[in-house]
Amino acid sequence: SQTIHQWPATLVQPVGSPLSLECTVEGTSNPNLYWYRQAAGRGLQLLFYSVGIGQISSEVPQNLSASRPQDRQFILSSKKLLLSDSGFYLCAWTSLGSAHIQYFGAGTRLSVL
Amino acid sequence: DAKTTQPPSMDCAEGRAANLPCNHSTISGNEYVYWYRQIHSQGPQYIIHGLKNNETNEMASLIITEDRKSSTLILPHATLRDTAVYYCIVRVPNFGNEKLTFGTGTRLTIIP
Repeated sequence: SQTIHQWPATLVQPVGSPLSLECTVEGTSNPNLYWYRQAAGRGLQLLFYSVGIGQISSEVPQNLSASRPQDRQFILSSKKLLLSDSGFYLCAWTSLGSAHIQYFGAGTRLSVL
Repeated sequence: DAKTTQPPSMDCAEGRAANLPCNHSTISGNEYVYWYRQIHSQGPQYIIHGLKNNETNEMASLIITEDRKSSTLILPHATLRDTAVYYCIVRVPNFGNEKLTFGTGTRLTIIP
């Protein structure tokens, strides 16, 4: 069966520090991958999505970037974190055989202080 | 994506069936109804989806009215672990930019 892993679960970082969040999917090939952010008490904001290795589309211009170095690996990065980058970051995947259903990881709660 | 309307909150006694309504009166013919839930501090979890017919899986049942303008998610025997925010989403499956938009959802509280 397919599984999605996200880490770390929680992260506290100072303003101006770099960020790297990793997401990997197992049990499927060539998935579409997504990074979302959810602010406290708010809905989901799509940040990036990828339909293949090296292919990244950005939904919202911001302080973050994404990369997909391998088929089932998706990385969210920042060179210098801002206070406004705090939030709950979620990785998700979809594959052709899943009726376009998105499956989410457990999330990373990032606090920038 | 069609707009959905859900009650902001509901309570249900443990062991009873929880019936969560969703209104989507502007749904178009090729839009599906999806249900997700989000337990506190966890990622959203897919529950079920359907187009026209009623659907059932190991988690829940989905009842869609004949005119498709509303639907009901049924959790047949609610447990305390079903306490979560439930989201009804109506959209056309689009393999590519599959941006999910969650509304405010229904906060379901299961009471012991």
